[in-house]
Amino acid sequence: QKEVEQDPGPLSVPEGAIVSLNCTYSNSAFQYFMWYRQYSRKGPELLMYTYSSGNKEDGRFTAQVDKSSKYISLFIRDSQPSDSATYLCAMRNIQGAQKLVFGQGTRLTINP
Amino acid sequence: GAGVSQTPSNKVTEKGKYVELRCDPISGHTALYWYRQSLGQGPEFLIYFQGTGAADDSGLPNDRFFAVRPEGSVSTLKIQRTERGDSAVYLCASSLGGSDTQYFGPGTRLTVL
Repeated sequence: QKEVEQDPGPLSVPEGAIVSLNCTYSNSAFQYFMWYRQYSRKGPELLMYTYSSGNKEDGRFTAQVDKSSKYISLFIRDSQPSDSATYLCAMRNIQGAQKLVFGQGTRLTINP
Repeated sequence: GAGVSQTPSNKVTEKGKYVELRCDPISGHTALYWYRQSLGQGPEFLIYFQGTGAADDSGLPNDRFFAVRPEGSVSTLKIQRTERGDSAVYLCASSLGGSDTQYFGPGTRLTVL
């Protein structure tokens, strides 16, 4: 079993819809949680960064972390065609290794 | 400012050959990471440098893979006796310090025929 599980999709929604993306994980040592966006043939770009549990909002994006359930989510409001990309969750623990552990990525398409 | 750059953007080689992939981190970033991303998968950690030294090389799959960062800036990932299974996108990232946000380059797409 992978440390981080993410549904690969693909997920297709109409423009303006609310999108919900999520990941589950098994390692209780993870404390830092990130969402990256990756366009085709580009490197991942950081969208949201959250420490421990709670919510964080940035514009149309909201990240939620529920450590008791080992579950994280990313919500996109008023989705735009330019949001079409692969979304990767990533996480790491608080001490020692600095490596990020990524989910498989969810491929999202926003239809005009 | 300039982001992380990687060269070449694409590399096609034959099975058994040796390849070098280069990463130029963001200026002033002391930490540098290499990841490998196979088709349809998320990036997988290979190695982490803090300055010139490899602080964590636990992700290198075998001894055919080696990476250096001799002056604490540019890094080179070296793969000997390439195999078809090495085909992937190799991503480099850098951060200001070891605990800071990692910024990724565009990757080098390696194809082993």
